[in-house]
Formats: sequence, C-alpha cells, structure tokens
Amino acid sequence: EVLLLESGGGLVQPGGSLRLSCAVSGFTFSSYAMSWVRQAPGKGLEWVSAFSGGGGSPFYADSVKGRFTVSRDNSKNTLYLQMGSLRVDDTAIYYCAKNRGFWWNPEDSIFDYWGQGTPVTVSS
Amino acid sequence: SYVLSQPPSVSVAPGQTASFTCGGNNIGRKSVHWYQQKPGQAPVLVVNDDSDRPSGIPERFSGSNSGNTATLTISRVEAGDEADYYCQVWESSSLHPIFGGGTKLTVI
Repeated sequence: EVLLLESGGGLVQPGGSLRLSCAVSGFTFSSYAMSWVRQAPGKGLEWVSAFSGGGGSPFYADSVKGRFTVSRDNSKNTLYLQMGSLRVDDTAIYYCAKNRGFWWNPEDSIFDYWGQGTPVTVSS
Repeated sequence: SYVLSQPPSVSVAPGQTASFTCGGNNIGRKSVHWYQQKPGQAPVLVVNDDSDRPSGIPERFSGSNSGNTATLTISRVEAGDEADYYCQVWESSSLHPIFGGGTKLTVI
C-alpha cells in the first residue's frame, strides 16, 4: 500500500521559516518524481514544487521560487520542503504527492497518490 | 499563461449523469487529468490522460477531450460522489502542471 505522511506544519510569523517533511512507503521512492501541492483555505489546488527521481533536479512555481527549497533523501524515503520568507498568502494545506514517473515532464508529472496534508498558517 | 476554466458548481439528482467541463485554448492537444476531492480529504486521481481510469476507480467515471473542452462524466451519480472536481494539464511554457479552479458537485 502506498502511503505518504506529511509533517512539520504549524503557525509561523510573516518572514519566518518552516520545514515540511513527507515520509513515504509502499513504493521505490527513488524511482519517482515527487511534488508539493498546496491549497489555500477555500481555494483550489496549486502546484508548488517538485523533485525528479533519483538524484535529480528541483522545480518551482514562480510564486515560491527563491524562497522555498525542495530536497529528497532517498535513503530515508523522505521528501522535504524548506520554506523561508513566508508570507500570509503562503497559508495553505500542503500536500505531498507522488508523480507517475521518474522524470519531470508532461507524461510523468501526473499526481497518482497524495498524502493527507499538513496545514501551514502564516500570521502575526 | 495557460488558463483552465471550470464552472463553480454542478447539481444532479441521484442516478442521473453529471458532466464537468474544463475549458482551455486547444485543450484537445493536451492530456487532461481529473481529481476528486471530498470535504476534508486529499485529492484522488479519477481519470488520467483524457479518458483512462486508474485502478479502483469505478467505470461510472469517464473522460473525453476535444477542441477547447475536456469533459469528465459521472454516470449513475451517488451521494458519495459529492466532492470538488479539478482538471489538470501541463503548461508547456512554464514547464509545470496547472489546475482548473474546480467544480463542486452537489447531489440533490
């Protein structure tokens, strides 16, 4: 069974930092690209970041580029999202999602499994 | 940038057919994927690559894509199908996925 478990969310002040983790099981972690997708309260889904499989490359939405850093530890089957310079509009539930394939491309980028999400609130 | 347009809501009676549209410029040239999100839960992939169903998704869920509109259809709607439905494509110019705004299904 594929499982994704996010952790690390919480309340943080504007300008602060937070590190999210996503521990996975049930599949060969290193063989798949992984993503973070967020959902602001009452809003739709927004892709945030991805890391291709193996020791690949990171990718970012323009809204977080330069502030967020995605990484993965294939030995620990864990995906991370280091968030910095947080803004009020970063408030959302952050979902970890498994992509269908290894590469970051149209065919492999489908989100076939999702975690339950971790909430991040940026407020003073 | 590419924009996906979805109506905010759809209402159908149990047993009827629900259709969800996703509009975009020449969307028929792209692969469209659909996700179901029930209240308080994570999204679930229900149709990928326009019309394929992942394992475990009922045959009642089907998809099509042509011209400027992609469509997700749920036949014989059940109360348990109440959810938000999102379409998703890959945006070639920015090299990342984008989602439509979502359509809320109400079973009346």
